[in-house]
Amino acid sequence: AQSVTQLGSHVSVSEGALVLLRCNYSSSVPPYLFWYVQYPNQGLQLLLKYTTGATLVKGINGFEAEFKKSETSFHLTKPSAHMSDAAEYFCAVSYDDYKLSFGAGTTVTVRA
Amino acid sequence: NAGVMQNPRHLVRRRGQEARLRCSPMKGHSHVYWYRQLPEEGLKFMVYLQKENIIDESGMPKERFSAEFPKEGPSILRIQQVVRGDSAAYFCASSQNSGTDLGEQYFGPGTRLTVT
Repeated sequence: AQSVTQLGSHVSVSEGALVLLRCNYSSSVPPYLFWYVQYPNQGLQLLLKYTTGATLVKGINGFEAEFKKSETSFHLTKPSAHMSDAAEYFCAVSYDDYKLSFGAGTTVTVRA
Repeated sequence: NAGVMQNPRHLVRRRGQEARLRCSPMKGHSHVYWYRQLPEEGLKFMVYLQKENIIDESGMPKERFSAEFPKEGPSILRIQQVVRGDSAAYFCASSQNSGTDLGEQYFGPGTRLTVT
């Protein structure tokens, strides 16, 4: 079965510091890859996605992710954390048109 | 433009009761997806519906769970004779279409079901 692993259930960063959230998938066939963010009491919001083409994908709110086939990874980064980035982040994969498989999520807290 | 609406947001049921979760997709969206998130786990796909049709229910437990998306009204996820293991957050998502809009699923805030 396809699976998605997010390393670290909680990440704490200082405001202005680099945010790095790790995501690995287990498949020899590259899937479609996504990052979603969930703010408290809200639904998941799509940050960015990779389907084909350029392996460095830019998303909303200054986030970007790079697909590395050799490492089966799709890590999410943001150069400078802002207090508003505090949320839960989910990596997801899909091998068809609609079925998303999610990681367990990483909660980000930002220290002033 | 209202997003995906789910109600209730919190639902408490005793073992053996029925739970009905409702999802109103975004305006203009005819595709609905249900996901379940158990504690400490990621969201798991349950079912994909279009108006009056179940397209893929491969993630639905074989018993007690059913879903519908009628021609009029919200999509309903129904759990009969709930057990403690059904306690989870249930998320609904909708999209305008699938395929070319891969990944553009818009999620609701979820319904948190607690079975006592």
